[in-house]
Amino acid sequence: KAGVTQTPRYLIKTRGQQVTLSCSPISGHRSVSWYQQTPGQGLQFLFEYFSETQRNKGNFPGRFSGRQFSNSRSEMNVSTLELGDSALYLCASSQLLRSALGEQFFGPGTRLTVL
Amino acid sequence: KQEVTQIPAALSVPEGENLVLNCSFTDSAIYNLQWFRQDPGKGLTSLLLIQSSQREQTSGRLNASLDKSSGRSTLYIAASQPGDSATYLCAVSRDSNYQLIWGAGTKLIIKP
Repeated sequence: KAGVTQTPRYLIKTRGQQVTLSCSPISGHRSVSWYQQTPGQGLQFLFEYFSETQRNKGNFPGRFSGRQFSNSRSEMNVSTLELGDSALYLCASSQLLRSALGEQFFGPGTRLTVL
Repeated sequence: KQEVTQIPAALSVPEGENLVLNCSFTDSAIYNLQWFRQDPGKGLTSLLLIQSSQREQTSGRLNASLDKSSGRSTLYIAASQPGDSATYLCAVSRDSNYQLIWGAGTKLIIKP
């Protein structure tokens, strides 16, 4: 069974641009969660989708948004990029409606650098 | 506000030693506690999940314990191997909003 895939793996953008990251969960998993990991703040929860609906949201500004498609693939978008958005963005898939209540499977992440 | 702390931040031990990694949390109202490892370029791998009603979980050479009342968990690694070198993170799931709150991790190096 294929694992969680994230594309692209690396991305370089400049301030003010926007970016879209993609995540394909494990086949059969309907939940996708997104996390941001930085050296200063560590891992922080962004949002969670299940069956195309956002079920949970972390404490991030509205510049961060996401969506999930009918095939469970998910995208997250960051608009008006800031230097502080440089981070490793991880997505995780789960079979559960509330992914934090059970095992999650993580992708390798997308490393975003904002110049 | 839930805070998760992991001590030490880094640890280097010779191969073959048994070791303990620590995780503490400030709010005992958790649903579960999870341990992960993170290898460079490979994302996170779930190691053990302990429900709030459980005291410990075991998987191979790994044993995780949970003392919810004192806000502590330990990850015990027996007979460490160089392949155990990674960053180990713990995370707690809150009862109230079903989000994982993460520790900063312990970077473990096992010397051959």
